[in-house]
Amino acid sequence: SYELTQPPSVSVAPGQTARITCGGNNIGRQSVNWYQQKPGQAPVLVVYADSDRPSGIPERFSGSNSGNMATLIISGVEAGDEADYSCQVWDSNSDNYVFGPGTTVTVL
Amino acid sequence: QITLKESGPTLVKPTQTLTLTCNFSGFSLTTVGVGVAWIRQPPGKALEWLALVYWNDDKRYSPFLKSRLTITKDTSNNQVVLTMTNMDPVDTATYYCAYRASRSLRFDKWGQGALVTVSS
Repeated sequence: SYELTQPPSVSVAPGQTARITCGGNNIGRQSVNWYQQKPGQAPVLVVYADSDRPSGIPERFSGSNSGNMATLIISGVEAGDEADYSCQVWDSNSDNYVFGPGTTVTVL
Repeated sequence: QITLKESGPTLVKPTQTLTLTCNFSGFSLTTVGVGVAWIRQPPGKALEWLALVYWNDDKRYSPFLKSRLTITKDTSNNQVVLTMTNMDPVDTATYYCAYRASRSLRFDKWGQGALVTVSS
């Protein structure tokens, strides 16, 4: 089955740029979605189809995807961006929606 | 405005069957391409997709849990129901229902989640 890998944690100073990676075999051929989840809350879609943003999501959130790595980029990080971030793809081979293990972003 | 809300028991015993209901509003499950999914998250662990029902009543299940899951829809009452048989303590998790937009591969909107504990 298809597997996604993410670093357990990323730390970033306010105002700096956070990059959260999501690794998978030829993930560049997949459409990658990213979810933000704050403690005790439901996930919120922040980036879809590699780099598109749903309405209401700040432009600070962007994404890229190529080769074996997709990346969520948070520019000008704010304290309110502290959360877990999970990537997600649809694996056509197994007809399975696959989530990454999640990355905890800490704002220093 | 799309909203979803899960309901069901907070505690089930091992070997019992879990039944969860998702009540939704703001969209119709008769719209072509739309789907409603169930996703769970054990405490401190990753999200795991369980099942999805489409507008045309097509159903998809996690290959790892397929034998234990049944998903159904009631379009007249805007509900989607998930049943999971033979519950085990490892099934303790927050269970979410989520809206899948037409012909997309993402989950645009999630319910608040329902914590289910499996314990004798």
